[in-house]
Amino acid sequence: GNSVTQMEGPVTLSEEAFLTINCTYTATGYPSLFWYVQYPGEGLQLLLKATKADDKGSNKGFEATYRKETTSFHLEKGSVQVSDSAVYFCASFGEAGSYQLTFGKGTKLSVIP
Amino acid sequence: NAGVTQTPKFQVLKTGQSMTLQCAQDMNHNSMYWYRQDPGMGLRLIYYSASEGTTDKGEVPNGYNVSRLNKREFSLRLESAAPSQTSVYFCASSDRQGEAFFGQGTRLTVV
Repeated sequence: GNSVTQMEGPVTLSEEAFLTINCTYTATGYPSLFWYVQYPGEGLQLLLKATKADDKGSNKGFEATYRKETTSFHLEKGSVQVSDSAVYFCASFGEAGSYQLTFGKGTKLSVIP
Repeated sequence: NAGVTQTPKFQVLKTGQSMTLQCAQDMNHNSMYWYRQDPGMGLRLIYYSASEGTTDKGEVPNGYNVSRLNKREFSLRLESAAPSQTSVYFCASSDRQGEAFFGQGTRLTVV
């Protein structure tokens, strides 16, 4: 089956620093790809998505591009804020007709003033 | 707009006890999921239901059963709770492209 691998954390950055969280997936087809964010004590919420190769998802200053050639969907933000501190999950869906939504293990981001 | 509602939010069980976690969504989604979240393990899929009347095992189904009661509701049952099932449980539903909406979670402790 498909799987998602993302960089392990925790990641600690100073405010206004550049953020990259790497994510790669294994799939034979063209799954939809997602980044979810989880704030302390809450459930996950969608941050951004891309449904086909070369699509760029963006939201709240975060971006990720669906790269079929490298099977990657890295999350980036040019200038992080303290309020971005959370756990970020990469996920894939729809591999080979499956309805299974598969997550990476999550990356905890802490942004310090 | 309630989205995904799961109950209870907290539960403490004794080893061997049973319980059912309830989940309901109001977005007319076909797919629903149960995950557990443990420190350092991310989200692991227990069971999912691609449509009303169907259920499939995920990564960690042992010790759990599910029921897709109707399109709105998807319950998770622990027949005989074990300390290894101490975790935070999340229910989710998704549209056809996989965009998922999550409940607030159930924090379960088995002593």
